Amino acid sequence: DAGVTQSPTHLIKTRGQQVTLRCSPKSGHDTVSWYQQALGQGPQFIFQYYEEEERQRGNFPDRFSGHQFPNYSSELNVNALLLGDSALYLCASSSLAASSYEQYFGPGTRLTVT
Amino acid sequence: AQSVTQLGSHVSVSEGALVLLRCNYSSSVPPYLFWYVQYPNQGLQLLLKYTSAATLVKGINGFEAEFKKSETSFHLTKPSAHMSDAAEYFCAVSKPTDSWGKLQFGAGTQVVVTP
Repeated sequence: DAGVTQSPTHLIKTRGQQVTLRCSPKSGHDTVSWYQQALGQGPQFIFQYYEEEERQRGNFPDRFSGHQFPNYSSELNVNALLLGDSALYLCASSSLAASSYEQYFGPGTRLTVT
Repeated sequence: AQSVTQLGSHVSVSEGALVLLRCNYSSSVPPYLFWYVQYPNQGLQLLLKYTSAATLVKGINGFEAEFKKSETSFHLTKPSAHMSDAAEYFCAVSKPTDSWGKLQFGAGTQVVVTP
C-alpha cells in the first residue's frame, strides 16, 4: 500500500517565479492538507482540500493556491515567489469518513528560492 | 484560539536513559493531541494520539504519553533511549469539533542520543 507521495523531492526557483508541487494521497484517503515547514520550525497549516474544494485555510496570502483532482491528488501553487517561501512543503492525507483524526504525511518537497 | 508549547528545543539523552519531551497546550476545550517524529530529510510519522479515550496512550517504538487535563500537558516518554531515537519530535493539537482535523504544531524538540 503506497503511502503519501510528493513530487518533486527538491526544487530551486528564482524570486518572482511560480512553482507547482504535487501530492498523491494514501490509498483510501479523500482529504489532502498542505503544510509549510520553515527551517527549524514546526509545520504551519496552509490549506485543506476535500471533494475538490478548499475547506480550510491558514494564514497564508493568496499567492498560495491549490487544487484537488477527482482522483484526490492535489497541487500546491505558489506565485511570485519570495525568499521567505523557502521551506519544506508537506502534504498530508486523511479520510473524513474514518474520523480517526490521523493525518499521514508525505516526505515533502524542499523548495529553495534564490 | 489554541496553541502548543514544547519546552526545550534541544534535548540530549544517554543511550538507555529515560526520554522525556514536554508539551503543553492552550485550548478552550480539551483538544485532540498528537506526537509526530521527523527523521532527517523525511516527512512526519505519527507516534501516538490522544482522542479522549484512555489518558495514557501507548504508541510505536516504545513511546507513550499521558494526557493531564489539570496540567494542560501531554508529555512524551520512553523508558530507555536508543540511538535510533535521534530525531525531531513535534507535538500537535486539533479541535475535536473540527472534523477536518487541522493540526497546529509546536516548534519541535530535537533529540540527540549519546552513546
